[in-house]
Amino acid sequence: SSELTQDPAVSVALGQTVRITCQGDSLRSYYASWYQQKPGQAPVLVIYGKNNRPSGIPDRFSGSSSGNTASLTITGAQAEDEADYYCNSRDSSGNHGVFGGGTKLTVL
Amino acid sequence: EVQLVQSGAEVKKPGESLKISCKGSGYSFTSYWIGWVRQMPGKGLEWMGIIYPGDSDTRYSPSFQGQVTISADKSISTAYLQWSSLKASDTAMYYCVRPTGYFDWSLQVWGQGTLVTVSS
Repeated sequence: SSELTQDPAVSVALGQTVRITCQGDSLRSYYASWYQQKPGQAPVLVIYGKNNRPSGIPDRFSGSSSGNTASLTITGAQAEDEADYYCNSRDSSGNHGVFGGGTKLTVL
Repeated sequence: EVQLVQSGAEVKKPGESLKISCKGSGYSFTSYWIGWVRQMPGKGLEWMGIIYPGDSDTRYSPSFQGQVTISADKSISTAYLQWSSLKASDTAMYYCVRPTGYFDWSLQVWGQGTLVTVSS
């Protein structure tokens, strides 16, 4: 399968914890990576592999995976975390990549 | 510093051809895949394809196979995305991307994007 499914929108109160999920058959074989995109900017990698953060990404961002579902958790969401978040992985064949449809995160 | 620097915005007419570029620097160009991601106006990210400049191994998403051509010139550390006949629906921002490693296709480095507008 070449599909990754995300909820279109999620909201979280300032300082609270939010989980954004991504579902797809390929996630049983490959880790998801997660990207944050703010308006008018290129996406930024925030989580990759089992649970790795690139340099400069705050430790309030974490990742996990179970079965066909990958999750991005933001513990203590900040106003600056308001953005679109995309998951990405390979498709089940491993021959190409695929993105989820994206989740718009609103911080209230 | 690892960087991907893309060519500038383009305005083209339907049916015209186009080749946009992405120059890598700060790393060994032949040792990492380099790929392309499309973002249509107001829409999500779409994985188009990827090339390994070391041996020109190229993979395409089924949605883009036959619609575009990805290539690379390792002598000048530059990757390309080209169209032979543009359509209005090709109007989008195109990002070049470099994964974390050979086996890990997490997209660690992003270019600044090239806006392609196709309009009569």
